[in-house]
Amino acid sequence: DADVTQTPRNRITKTGKRIMLECSQTKGHDRMYWYRQDPGLGLRLIYYSFDVKDINKGEISDGYSVSRQAQAKFSLSLESAIPNQTALYFCAIRTGMNEQFFGPGTRLTVL
Amino acid sequence: GENVEQHPSTLSVQEGDSAVIKCTYSDSASNYFPWYKQELGKRPQLIIDIRSNVGEKKDQRIAVTLNKTAKHFSLHITETQPEDSAVYFCAAIRFSGGSNYKLTFGKGTLLTVNP
Repeated sequence: DADVTQTPRNRITKTGKRIMLECSQTKGHDRMYWYRQDPGLGLRLIYYSFDVKDINKGEISDGYSVSRQAQAKFSLSLESAIPNQTALYFCAIRTGMNEQFFGPGTRLTVL
Repeated sequence: GENVEQHPSTLSVQEGDSAVIKCTYSDSASNYFPWYKQELGKRPQLIIDIRSNVGEKKDQRIAVTLNKTAKHFSLHITETQPEDSAVYFCAAIRFSGGSNYKLTFGKGTLLTVNP
């Protein structure tokens, strides 16, 4: 089974701070994704990457940036966090059957 | 782009009853339709999926149906149990090989099964 880990699992920060959320996977899958989840809005795609040199914006990329440091690692950064970025963030990989396999999530609170 | 509508947003049933969640999609090129279950505080997990060349798929108490002409698909849970209580997400995926992959989620349905 693929395994996806996210760090930190919970983070509270203040407006204007820079935050990095990290995602790692152990099975060498090329495709990695970052989503945010808000109540009533479902899962919305922030960024996705098909390999180390291929980064693409999703539907809500403003205010976020990403880095694919290696095939196994895909980081999401908030350069200057704001309160409406308070959400649950999920990293996911696409497995061979085209399904999304999600990490455990990071709960971010911006005060 | 693709638009996926999911209804209802909340659903409450008595234990043992059936539950049905419906989704419609707009992109006729979508060819793969997974359903995810997210229990409180946990990650979404795939529970069943259906490909565009199939009309129905069943796995024990859950089933999914697809009507390509009408562009809608549904999740059916029979003999519901309290542990079925969760948020359920549908998704529509268009995949035609290589980097041609586009996934859109519905907004989710909160299912509550009352004992």
